[in-house]
Amino acid sequence: ETGVTQSPTHLIKTRGQQVTLRCSSQSGHNTVSWYQQALGQGPQFIFQYYREEENGRGNFPPRFSGLQFPNYSSELNVNALELDDSALYLCASGTMARASAGYTFGSGTRLTVV
Amino acid sequence: GQQVMQIPQYQHVQEGEDFTTYCNSSTTLSNIQWYKQRPGGHPVFLIQLVKSGEVKKQKRLTFQFGEAKKNSSLHITATQTTDVGTYFCRWRKTSYDKVIFGPGTSLSVIP
Repeated sequence: ETGVTQSPTHLIKTRGQQVTLRCSSQSGHNTVSWYQQALGQGPQFIFQYYREEENGRGNFPPRFSGLQFPNYSSELNVNALELDDSALYLCASGTMARASAGYTFGSGTRLTVV
Repeated sequence: GQQVMQIPQYQHVQEGEDFTTYCNSSTTLSNIQWYKQRPGGHPVFLIQLVKSGEVKKQKRLTFQFGEAKKNSSLHITATQTTDVGTYFCRWRKTSYDKVIFGPGTSLSVIP
């Protein structure tokens, strides 16, 4: 079975622009969550999707939005980029029914906002 | 609000020494998960603890959930250079609440 893949791996954007990050979940997983990780810090939860519906959101403004598709792949969209949005963005997939098996993370997208 | 603390923030050990990181919560946890992130890598799931007082072992790693389910620990016996990385605890109150990761403990192993 394939793991979690994220694209692109690196991205440079200008303040005020919009960005879309993509995540392909591990086969058989129906849940995907997105995190922002600043250097030297723990992952900060943005939101989670289960069967194409958002089922939990962290303390991020509405300009952070997402989608989960029928094939369980996912997108994270960030509008009106700010310098502080520069971070590693991680997605993690799992199965709601088997949360005890943990979540599989992708390698992340390194976003730099200039 | 919900607070999760991890101590220590950093730990430098000589190879072969033991290592312990603690995760402390201000509220009772339903369960807790532990993840390891190597430098430049992504978090990798290690284990989930659910029951009060639960102890689980994975080779040299021992995980414990406190009796009150407000704290957890990860202990590594006889560290090796492959143990280098940051160890995070992670929990979620219910299936619909936000996920919380602790700030992590960064382990360095001196060969």
